[in-house]
Amino acid sequence: SYVLTQPPSVSVAPGKTASITCGGNNIGSKSVHWYQQKPGQAPVLIIYSDNHRPSGIPDRFSGSNSGNTATLTVSWVEAGDEADYYCQVWDSSSEHSVVFGGGTKLTVL
Amino acid sequence: EVQLVESGGGLIQPGGSLRLSCAASGFSVSNNYMSWVRQAPGKGLEWVSGIYSGSSRHNADSVKGRFTISRDNSKNTLYLQMNSLRAEDTAVYYCARLMGLRPDYQYYMDVWGKGTTVTVSS
Repeated sequence: SYVLTQPPSVSVAPGKTASITCGGNNIGSKSVHWYQQKPGQAPVLIIYSDNHRPSGIPDRFSGSNSGNTATLTVSWVEAGDEADYYCQVWDSSSEHSVVFGGGTKLTVL
Repeated sequence: EVQLVESGGGLIQPGGSLRLSCAASGFSVSNNYMSWVRQAPGKGLEWVSGIYSGSSRHNADSVKGRFTISRDNSKNTLYLQMNSLRAEDTAVYYCARLMGLRPDYQYYMDVWGKGTTVTVSS
């Protein structure tokens, strides 16, 4: 089955830019989606299809995907961005159709 | 408003059964791909089960043969029947709507419920 690899943690100072990676074999050929989850809350979709933002998601959140790595970029980081972030792909080649990365804890210093 | 509300969680002994429900509003579960995702305490998201077009259903290996996903179109509700429960099934269970875009329909979860907690313990 397809495997997505994320760093367990990323730290960034307020006002700076955070990059969270999601690695997978030829992931650039797939569409990558990103979710934000704050403690005690359900996940929220923040990026779909590599670089599209749902309505209501600030443009400080952006995504890219190429080769073996997809990246979620959070610009002008705020304290409220501190959360867990998960990448996800649809693996139509197997029954395990929804695949999540292990998640990355973003800490705002 | 598009919304999902889960219910049916609780404390259950190992080997027991539980049925989770997920009531949808603002859209029809019959016309959408739907899924269950769980999150064990302190752990990441784990896809559990999905129901797609028609009666196509798929389960994660960890629950295969024990969990069954279904939907009642008349009640606009998604279900997860969980049998032979184990301690490792302890988690918050979320239902979610899957959305895909043409042309390749690489599905993502655009609507999530708040979750229901299942605790398997003696």
